[in-house]
Amino acid sequence: AQSVTQLDSHVSVSEGTPVLLRCNYSSSYSPSLFWYVQHPNKGLQLLLKYTSAATLVKGINGFEAEFKKSETSFHLTKPSAHMSDAAEYFCVVTVPTGTYKYIFGTGTRLKVLA
Amino acid sequence: GAVVSQHPSWVICKSGTSVKIECRSLDFQATTMFWYRQFPKQSLMLMATSNEGSKATYEQGVEKDKFLINHASLTLSTLTVTSAHPEDSSFYICSALGQLYEQYFGPGTRLTVT
Repeated sequence: AQSVTQLDSHVSVSEGTPVLLRCNYSSSYSPSLFWYVQHPNKGLQLLLKYTSAATLVKGINGFEAEFKKSETSFHLTKPSAHMSDAAEYFCVVTVPTGTYKYIFGTGTRLKVLA
Repeated sequence: GAVVSQHPSWVICKSGTSVKIECRSLDFQATTMFWYRQFPKQSLMLMATSNEGSKATYEQGVEKDKFLINHASLTLSTLTVTSAHPEDSSFYICSALGQLYEQYFGPGTRLTVT
């Protein structure tokens, strides 16, 4: 079975400082992993995805994530936070066979302080 | 490419009435679509998997007679909330499975039952 754990429900950073949102996964197979962002009352926007190619994945808006199999982690980072980054972030795991269901983490709310 | 639309974006209905939400894949065909529900400040919860030409597969605890799903064509799935009650008020999000088995999400529908 697949599962994903987002280790922090809330993260606060100052504008211009680095962002780290943590995600650990569990999967019996080679997983695909995603990070999505959701602004208030909006749908989901894909930030980046890992699908067994390069372990360091670059996404939109300066975000990147590194797949570490030994640590079963897929943490999301950004060198410098911007006010517009304040939103809810979801880590997602799926196995690209069978039902293709996505398993969502519980989400991390990022707050950016001026 | 890979755009998914939902209609309506928000709807208010009276208790006891039914409401239909449409999910369309605009530039690709999708044999599989998914319906999610999201409560305020919570993660997405998968309600059901919609398969074109066959019955939907519901997740445990989801009432199939209350949440009717019809996947009538390769570009359209509908979710009908029957005899809606205030506790059905939520944000409903659909997704469509693309060629590379990646889900593409709609913008969501906000349902308020009064």
